[in-house]
Amino acid sequence: GQQVQQSPASLVLQEGENAELQCNFSSTATRLQWFYQHPGGRLVSLFYNPSGTKHTGRLTSTTVTNERRGSLHISSSQTTDSGTYFCAIDRDTNAYKVIFGKGTHLHVLP
Amino acid sequence: EAGVTQSPRYAVLQEGQAVSFWCDPISGHDTLYWYQQPRDQGPQLLVYFRDEAVIDNSQLPSDRFSAVRPKGTNSTLKIQSAKQGDTATYLCASSFTNQDTQYFGPGTRLLVL
Repeated sequence: GQQVQQSPASLVLQEGENAELQCNFSSTATRLQWFYQHPGGRLVSLFYNPSGTKHTGRLTSTTVTNERRGSLHISSSQTTDSGTYFCAIDRDTNAYKVIFGKGTHLHVLP
Repeated sequence: EAGVTQSPRYAVLQEGQAVSFWCDPISGHDTLYWYQQPRDQGPQLLVYFRDEAVIDNSQLPSDRFSAVRPKGTNSTLKIQSAKQGDTATYLCASSFTNQDTQYFGPGTRLLVL
């Protein structure tokens, strides 16, 4: 079965609204990461967050490892936040073998 | 500092043709990854190297795909006899051992007709 599940699959917001993206994983993860991909652009790492809460600007990543879930909160969304957000887990402490979810497609309307 | 570079950026093939993708990682990064990203999907790891050694190629379709990193720097991913199902973006990423962040290249978009 799918090891990393993200929800929602897609999301449309008005500029200024907040967004909550969810990630659930079915196997023990040693790390959880969030990536952003602009349409047609390269993947950029947003957070490496094995547990707890981290903040960067308007983004907040929360990981609850023993419940096998994580979330990415975007506050006061902007049109430039549009793109695809991927959650990824890394199960092997020695190998850095990363497994990605299918992503959440976010579209922020002006 | 230059990021990860890949070439070509786009490739269009007929089924049965061969193609090679090239990746230049960030200088000094000892770990290099190749991913396949089908349209509207997340990246899927194909193979990764530490220096010149293959660490994991379990997801690489070995009958048609091959990857090398002979000097532990640049890498080439080759598809022999491409199939329509190979249509995807091929991403290269690099990192330092024991660091968490992978840095991705812009990808090569492959269309197999």
